[in-house]
Amino acid sequence: DGGITQSPKYLFRKEGQNVTLSCEQNLNHDAMYWYRQDPGQGLRLIYYSQIVNDFQKGDIAEGYSVSREKKESFPLTVTSAQKNPTAFYLCASSLRNAEAFFGQGTRLTVV
Amino acid sequence: AQKITQTQPGMFVQEKEAVTLDCTYDTSDPSYGLFWYKQPSSGEMIFLIYQGSYDQQNATEGRYSLNFQKARKSANLVISASQLGDSAMYFCAMREGQIRANKLIFGTGTLLAVQP
Repeated sequence: DGGITQSPKYLFRKEGQNVTLSCEQNLNHDAMYWYRQDPGQGLRLIYYSQIVNDFQKGDIAEGYSVSREKKESFPLTVTSAQKNPTAFYLCASSLRNAEAFFGQGTRLTVV
Repeated sequence: AQKITQTQPGMFVQEKEAVTLDCTYDTSDPSYGLFWYKQPSSGEMIFLIYQGSYDQQNATEGRYSLNFQKARKSANLVISASQLGDSAMYFCAMREGQIRANKLIFGTGTLLAVQP
């Protein structure tokens, strides 16, 4: 089935560790996005990519990094520089000017 | 400046009644798209309805309709005949048309509770 797959569903990180969240899509979409959602709040854009090998910072990019080596994949690394990484992370993809489709999300907790 | 504003943190509606969720936006780009998403407690984001800035008619999808008032820069979601399963968080979003700024930005959401 076509869609967006995020893994893992739950992730625990120790202080000072980098962790990578996976996002894969088989919808042949050019654009991909990473959002962060804190409890009871809206979605804030971390990074987005319109084409392979190109990406732009969103509103809260500090402490995060991404890569876009393949059209299907847009992994997000939460680095140790991100001081408050505990949140729900959503990946999305879209065709230009069309609705975005979302993955099921990854819930990251710092322990 | 905030691009998408949802002023209603929470709303109650009786089952089978209609409800309007407010959304205002701010952009200087003549080409843009407006979206509404539903987020149940499980967390997934479900696309509901889309309105393009050049669309002449208000968008409708089943029980969902979008009251698009371009001059007022508002794009309110109307849910008719509310059902218990409509209880969820609702987000308004906008994509501006500039090539390099073709990002999707969201409002803070409205929590809708449908009462039996």
